[in-house]
Amino acid sequence: QQQVKQSPQSLIVQKGGISIINCAYENTAFDYFPWYQQFPGKGPALLIAIRPDVSEKKEGRFTISFNKSAKQFSLHIMDSQPGDSATYFCAATTTSGTYKYIFGTGTRLKVLA
Amino acid sequence: DTAVSQTPKYLVTQMGNDKSIKCEQNLGHDTMYWYKQDSKKFLKIMFSYNNKELIINETVPNRFSPKSPDKAHLNLHINSLELGDSAVYFCASSPYDRVYGYTFGSGTRLTVV
Repeated sequence: QQQVKQSPQSLIVQKGGISIINCAYENTAFDYFPWYQQFPGKGPALLIAIRPDVSEKKEGRFTISFNKSAKQFSLHIMDSQPGDSATYFCAATTTSGTYKYIFGTGTRLKVLA
Repeated sequence: DTAVSQTPKYLVTQMGNDKSIKCEQNLGHDTMYWYKQDSKKFLKIMFSYNNKELIINETVPNRFSPKSPDKAHLNLHINSLELGDSAVYFCASSPYDRVYGYTFGSGTRLTVV
């Protein structure tokens, strides 16, 4: 019940295309869902996050779509750029008590120039 | 100024040795964490400290011992290193009362030979 399932494992997109990464969770106590971006040799960095009281959040070219009933959320990267090539992690946690992030297994995105 | 800094960045050591990784944060956060990222990029929490008090201790071998001399520092000591300990270890910090602002360090790549 603590798992967060992420797909696909890897993704290749042409420059200007849309990258879509999906995550699913089981624990209904989760109420905060961040996405992290990790470049080689660096630590994960917060990209965008959403709470379950909204169905969508957009920041620039990055959008999270959230489906509470299906317990699924996804990251959409519009107009994908080569600089977006990185590993993306979804995560989930509860906002009460300790903030133990449960991470998805990661998606390695490559955007072709 | 680096917000969450870890040293060393790389660590190569022989099986059976004891080693330490240090972490310091200058964000004024109350809570610090250690995460392990394996060769498949899977990120999993190991420990969490809040104001020098251990609050999360996942199923981690006793050979791993965290130590927090003050709330800005969280060190990880590993005894009797094994080949399977090879991974990237990330330190992170967050404010205790807010789930936002979870910040990772750049990681320590440990290789046990």
